[in-house]
Amino acid sequence: TQLLEQSPQFLSIQEGENLTVYCNSSSVFSSLQWYRQEPGEGPVLLVTVVTGGEVKKLKRLTFQFGDARKDSSLHITAAQPGDTGLYLCAGGANQAGTALIFGKGTTLSVSS
Amino acid sequence: EAGVAQSPRYKIIEKRQSVAFWCNPISGHATLYWYQQILGQGPKLLIQFQNNGVVDDSQLPKDRFSAERLKGVDSTLKIQPAKLEDSAVYLCASSLDLLGELFFGEGSRLTVL
Repeated sequence: TQLLEQSPQFLSIQEGENLTVYCNSSSVFSSLQWYRQEPGEGPVLLVTVVTGGEVKKLKRLTFQFGDARKDSSLHITAAQPGDTGLYLCAGGANQAGTALIFGKGTTLSVSS
Repeated sequence: EAGVAQSPRYKIIEKRQSVAFWCNPISGHATLYWYQQILGQGPKLLIQFQNNGVVDDSQLPKDRFSAERLKGVDSTLKIQPAKLEDSAVYLCASSLDLLGELFFGEGSRLTVL
């Protein structure tokens, strides 16, 4: 069974600070996605990474896929209160059509 | 473009009662998913449909959960009888095809007392 471990589970920081969230697995994934979920809403896709070592930037968010495609990280620069939410990583298995496997998520709280 | 619609948003029932959730995916999306999200955890796949056929239901507790997508569009998820541990948010998602981006609905929050 493929599992995705996310750390930290909770993160509470001040506006302007930087942070990194990690997503690790012992399994290889064909792709890794990051979602953000706000209370009372469904998850919304932020980015998909598919190539080992790939780095993608989305404004103040930087996503990296590990060389071995077993891990990923999300780095937020100068966090803002609007970044508050649950960040979920989800892995796509090598078998085409297999549904995404989600990690437990990291709950981020950014206070002003 | 309309998103994934789910109803009801909230449901409170007694244990051993039954409940049904409805999902209308984005128009044209062939793949539909039901996920269960327990508080503090990530979504867990219950069942995946491609059109009106089941792709994966390996984690669906079939003794009490059932789901159907009869005409390849709308879907219903039923729980009968409900247990306390079924309290969760039930998320429906759809994608254009098996490899496409997932679009989630707002979810249906179930509380079993």
